[in-house]
Amino acid sequence: EAQVTQNPRYLITVTGKKLTVTCSQNMNHEYMSWYRQDPGLGLRQIYYSMNVEVTDKGDVPEGYKVSRKEKRNFPLILESPSPNQTSLYFCASSDGTGYEQYFGPGTRLTVT
Amino acid sequence: GDSVTQMEGPVTLSEEAFLTINCTYTATGYPSLFWYVQYPGEGLQLLLKATKADDKGSNKGFEATYRKETTSFHLEKGSVQVSDSAVYFCALVYSSASKIIFGSGTRLSIRP
Repeated sequence: EAQVTQNPRYLITVTGKKLTVTCSQNMNHEYMSWYRQDPGLGLRQIYYSMNVEVTDKGDVPEGYKVSRKEKRNFPLILESPSPNQTSLYFCASSDGTGYEQYFGPGTRLTVT
Repeated sequence: GDSVTQMEGPVTLSEEAFLTINCTYTATGYPSLFWYVQYPGEGLQLLLKATKADDKGSNKGFEATYRKETTSFHLEKGSVQVSDSAVYFCALVYSSASKIIFGSGTRLSIRP
């Protein structure tokens, strides 16, 4: 089954404690992206990757890091999380044209 | 810059009512337009799309027409069901770009 998986689905952490949210896709897609969803703001892009070892900033990259060492994986790293990063995070992938994106189920992060 | 504006929600309708969710966009080029749907607890799924002016996208009884003259892509359904309760996102993307711009989302609730 074609899918995008994210782990963990729920995470509660404290300010400053480094964390990683994993994202993996099994569709051999070149393009992957991370979004955060906040009430009233829709989805905002954090980072995206057009292919292995190629990443670029989206609209709200501050406080986040990503890496793309393998085509299927695109982890999101918060080196020093802060409460304003409490949000619902989605990973997505597409075949590279940017048209239809396939979304993961989301990760709800709470930073206290 | 490019942007997408959706009607504010929540929208509450009775089953079998006619649905319209308004979406207008601002774009410097010729984007493709999309509607995504997010069911409770899930990631976004592509509902329908239109890649050029006057195209009509349709799926699951929903329709939207790409109107360049009014820069709109309104979502319509003739008779909604309880199972249509979800959050709907309008979005635009360029074929040469690597990002998708989402509207803020419209929550739809259907009463039995």
